Amino acid sequence: KAGVTQTPRYLIKTRGQQVTLSCSPISGHRSVSWYQQTPGQGLQFLFEYFSETQRNKGNFPGRFSGRQFSNSRSEMNVSTLELGDSALYLCASSSGQGGVYEQYFGPGTRLTVT
Amino acid sequence: KNEVEQSPQNLTAQEGEFITINCSYSVGISALHWLQQHPGGGIVSLFMLSSGKKKHGRLIATINIQEKHSSLHITASHPRDSAVYICAVEETSGSRLTFGEGTQLTVNP
Repeated sequence: KAGVTQTPRYLIKTRGQQVTLSCSPISGHRSVSWYQQTPGQGLQFLFEYFSETQRNKGNFPGRFSGRQFSNSRSEMNVSTLELGDSALYLCASSSGQGGVYEQYFGPGTRLTVT
Repeated sequence: KNEVEQSPQNLTAQEGEFITINCSYSVGISALHWLQQHPGGGIVSLFMLSSGKKKHGRLIATINIQEKHSSLHITASHPRDSAVYICAVEETSGSRLTFGEGTQLTVNP
């Protein structure tokens, strides 16, 4: 089975712009979670989608949003980018809902905001 | 105080040594995960535990639910084990993962 894929792998944006990141889960997996990793804050949970529904959301401002499509692929969007949004964004898929099922991580998208 | 605390933050060992990384948490959990992250960012799930002990090759993970503590052991460490090891818990109140700060392990030949 192919692993979790994320596109793009690297991205450079300017403050104020918006960005969309994509995640394709392992075939058959219906849950996709998104995480942000920064040197200062470490790994933080953004949100989780299961069968096109957002089931859980972390403590991030409304500029961070996401969605999941019927084929389980997921996108996250960050509007009005700030310098502090520079981070590695990781998605993970699992066969069930939530972390009780083993999560499989993608390689991440490294976003740099200048 | 962080909900998930790992120790040590940094660990340097000689090849062949037995290594232990500890994780303590303060919330009720339904599962605890041990993750490995190599330079470049890729994360691999090593273990998912809700009780007892699991073993995979040279890696062993244990959890004590009553004491809210887990340990990751690496036997006969090797330079390729050099990575950041991250403990994450799934709280019983929801399906989100809360992460420890990670332990940077360096194994010298």
